[in-house]
Amino acid sequence: AQSVTQPDIHITVSEGASLELRCNYSYGATPYLFWYVQSPGQGLQLLLKYFSGDTLVQGIKGFEAEFKRSQSSFNLRKPSVHWSDAAEYFCAVGVSGGYQKVTFGTGTKLQVIP
Amino acid sequence: SQTIHQWPATLVQPVGSPLSLECTVEGTSNPNLYWYRQAAGRGLQLLFYSVGIGQISSEVPQNLSASRPQDRQFILSSKKLLLSDSGFYLCAWTPLEGLGYTFGSGTRLTVV
Repeated sequence: AQSVTQPDIHITVSEGASLELRCNYSYGATPYLFWYVQSPGQGLQLLLKYFSGDTLVQGIKGFEAEFKRSQSSFNLRKPSVHWSDAAEYFCAVGVSGGYQKVTFGTGTKLQVIP
Repeated sequence: SQTIHQWPATLVQPVGSPLSLECTVEGTSNPNLYWYRQAAGRGLQLLFYSVGIGQISSEVPQNLSASRPQDRQFILSSKKLLLSDSGFYLCAWTPLEGLGYTFGSGTRLTVV
């Protein structure tokens, strides 16, 4: 079975600084990989996804993520963080099988300070 | 465009009372539908998924059940709520394998 680890529970960055959120996965084949963002009391919004091809994927809101097979990682990055980026971020790994079964990490809460 | 509606947004229920949460999807046909529960600090737990009308698969044995009476309607139910059923419940859909979930806005359930 697949699993996802987000080693950082909470991260604080200054507005305008760069951001990298870590995600490691465990799966025997090439997985589907996702990053979602959740604002307080809201549902999750898909930021970006990786299925195959170019290992650097661009998403919404200026985010990008890089799939590194050798490290089993899919880290999320943003060059300059805005105060509105404060939220909780979830990495997820999916597998095929007639429906989309996705396993989520436990999330990283991002705080942005002025 | 496709939209997903989930209600109610907030619910406070006494222990032992029944539960019914509803989720509907518009603008698509034959969606795969999912119910997740999110507990504080524990990520998301898949409760049920459905690939078609009347087809429900349960991921975790629990006090809850799900039904899909129509193609774009997914209902989460309980006959008698427990305190441990408190949490944030999210409905989601995906049209095809691998495209990523679209989530509803969630229901905050507090069992008292």
